[in-house]
Amino acid sequence: GEEVAQTPKHLVRGEGQKAKLYCAPIKGHSYVFWYQQVLKNEFKFLISFQNENVFDETGMPKERFSAKCLPNSPCSLEIQATKLEDSAVYFCASSQLSRGLDGYTFGSGTRLTVV
Amino acid sequence: KNEVEQSPQNLTAQEGEFITINCSYSVGISALHWLQQHPGGGIVSLFMLSSGKKKHGRLIATINIQEKHSSLHITASHPRDSAVYICAVMGIQGAQKLVFGQGTRLTINP
Repeated sequence: GEEVAQTPKHLVRGEGQKAKLYCAPIKGHSYVFWYQQVLKNEFKFLISFQNENVFDETGMPKERFSAKCLPNSPCSLEIQATKLEDSAVYFCASSQLSRGLDGYTFGSGTRLTVV
Repeated sequence: KNEVEQSPQNLTAQEGEFITINCSYSVGISALHWLQQHPGGGIVSLFMLSSGKKKHGRLIATINIQEKHSSLHITASHPRDSAVYICAVMGIQGAQKLVFGQGTRLTINP
């Protein structure tokens, strides 16, 4: 499809519980990115994939966060033992950044609330 | 100091006014994005620029690579343009991740 599909839209977890977020990129896009938006406009890069391979994971808090992009499955971002400060909107984006293509598309986000 | 700085942070204008939002960055980039985020939270990519100027409807984006500066202009602004506009840059190392400015909250009053 022509949209990046993120599920669920909203997720509420008690502190210490696990949270799993999903992202189906646009078909044909080779790159998938996860960003965390805290407060209103503060975006933090988490991780990117080139197809199913991790491309850049410099933003990932490795102790509790993990992510995968497996063939023929939505990509996923998992947070083990959630903390209050994990409350944020998590955006997935996909891109096919061949030269000359404006192909950076965002999903609508998953709002995670940790209580 | 942030790598990407936007100004103004907030902008209120009357319908019909010409709007300019500025973005300055301090790192080498391969491309710059202008994004729009509505109150509902969804993000729309308006432009990706690596040089020059692009136009789409009432929106115009320009970039000056030497001066590390970009502007987003909205002509004949309308209340439906009210949103947060975000400048984001992509580094030159091939990492392709975006570094975001803090956003400009635009309100257009009828």
